[in-house]
Amino acid sequence: NAGVMQNPRHLVRRRGQEARLRCSPMKGHSHVYWYRQLPEEGLKFMVYLQKENIIDESGMPKERFSAEFPKEGPSILRIQQVVRGDSAAYFCASSPFPPSPGNTIYFGEGSWLTVV
Amino acid sequence: KQEVTQIPAALSVPEGENLVLNCSFTDSAIYNLQWFRQDPGKGLTSLLLIQSSQREQTSGRLNASLDKSSGRSTLYIAASQPGDSATYLCAVGHGSSNTGKLIFGQGTTLQVKP
Repeated sequence: NAGVMQNPRHLVRRRGQEARLRCSPMKGHSHVYWYRQLPEEGLKFMVYLQKENIIDESGMPKERFSAEFPKEGPSILRIQQVVRGDSAAYFCASSPFPPSPGNTIYFGEGSWLTVV
Repeated sequence: KQEVTQIPAALSVPEGENLVLNCSFTDSAIYNLQWFRQDPGKGLTSLLLIQSSQREQTSGRLNASLDKSSGRSTLYIAASQPGDSATYLCAVGHGSSNTGKLIFGQGTTLQVKP
């Protein structure tokens, strides 16, 4: 059973370009979470999605960032017009059940975005 | 606003030592607390999860405790090994449990020397 798959693992974009990060959850998991780890900072929650629904996007920057989890295919985190401050590791996680106190979530290995 | 702090930021010990990693949080209204391990350039692996009604959890050489009233958790690693070298992250589930939002500390980077 493959784990959470993220690609690309490393991505370099010039300022102003778009970055698309993809996440395929573990088999049977229909709940996806995105976290961001900025240099010298801890991981910060961005968004929680179920298939075709955004449940909580309270951690998403208000502009340039969007996320989706379509009925078919991976979840996509899209960053438009990237700036240097977007350089970070972006982690996706998934779970088979809705979040609850007794359930953990399973992380992928991350996508490292560098904006030059 | 919930804040999670981990002390120390880095720790270096000789192989075989027992050690304790500390985590504190400012708001006791949590629904769980988890300890994760992160290896360089890799994702996070869940080590232990303690629900808010529990006091501790154990897995092998690892034991995690939770004291909600004082806002503290400790991760105890017995008989440390070089393979334990990694960054250990503490995360609390805060707010509504049905959003899955975890608040992370900045981690303790552990080095176990052979």
